[in-house]
Amino acid sequence: DGGITQSPKYLFRKEGQNVTLSCEQNLNHDAMYWYRQDPGQGLRLIYYSQIVNDFQKGDIAEGYSVSREKKESFPLTVTSAQKNPTAFYLCASSITQREPQHFGDGTRLSIL
Amino acid sequence: QKEVEQNSGPLSVPEGAIASLNCTYSDRGSQSFFWYRQYSGKSPELIMFIYSNGDKEDGRFTAQLNKASQYVSLLIRDSQPSDSATYLCAVNIAGTASKLTFGTGTRLQVTL
Repeated sequence: DGGITQSPKYLFRKEGQNVTLSCEQNLNHDAMYWYRQDPGQGLRLIYYSQIVNDFQKGDIAEGYSVSREKKESFPLTVTSAQKNPTAFYLCASSITQREPQHFGDGTRLSIL
Repeated sequence: QKEVEQNSGPLSVPEGAIASLNCTYSDRGSQSFFWYRQYSGKSPELIMFIYSNGDKEDGRFTAQLNKASQYVSLLIRDSQPSDSATYLCAVNIAGTASKLTFGTGTRLQVTL
């Protein structure tokens, strides 16, 4: 089945620890995105990538890093510099930057 | 002023009625408009997208866009209990083709 796979579904971070969230898509989409959703709030863009080996900061990139070494994969690292990482993290992709975005099932990150 | 605004609700409609969800946006140059449905604890699911002024229908859903008044709406005919969810409006703000700006969502409750 074609789709966007995020893993793990739940993740716990210890103080001072970096954690990496996985996002893989087999839709042959060029563009990929990472969003953060906090309770009662809309989605906020962390990073996005329109093409392999290129990515741009979104509205809340501080404390996060990404890579886009393969078209199918866009992992997000939540670094220890992100002081409030507890949130629902959503990965999305689209055929091109102007087409509708489709979302994975998300990863819930919590602090231990 | 927020870039994309939605009434948080809840909007309560009886089963079988028409649910009308509204969204206003601040940037006159916005070109692409999307409606997503999000069930509690789940990721957003694309329902409709519209690029031109007027109405676009897909099954029980109709998206309406009025660029002069800067609003986009979603009508759900013959509302069902399974339509109970939060509906997110998203807009491509002009000059940021890759970036969607989301509203905080309207919670819809369809009552029996």
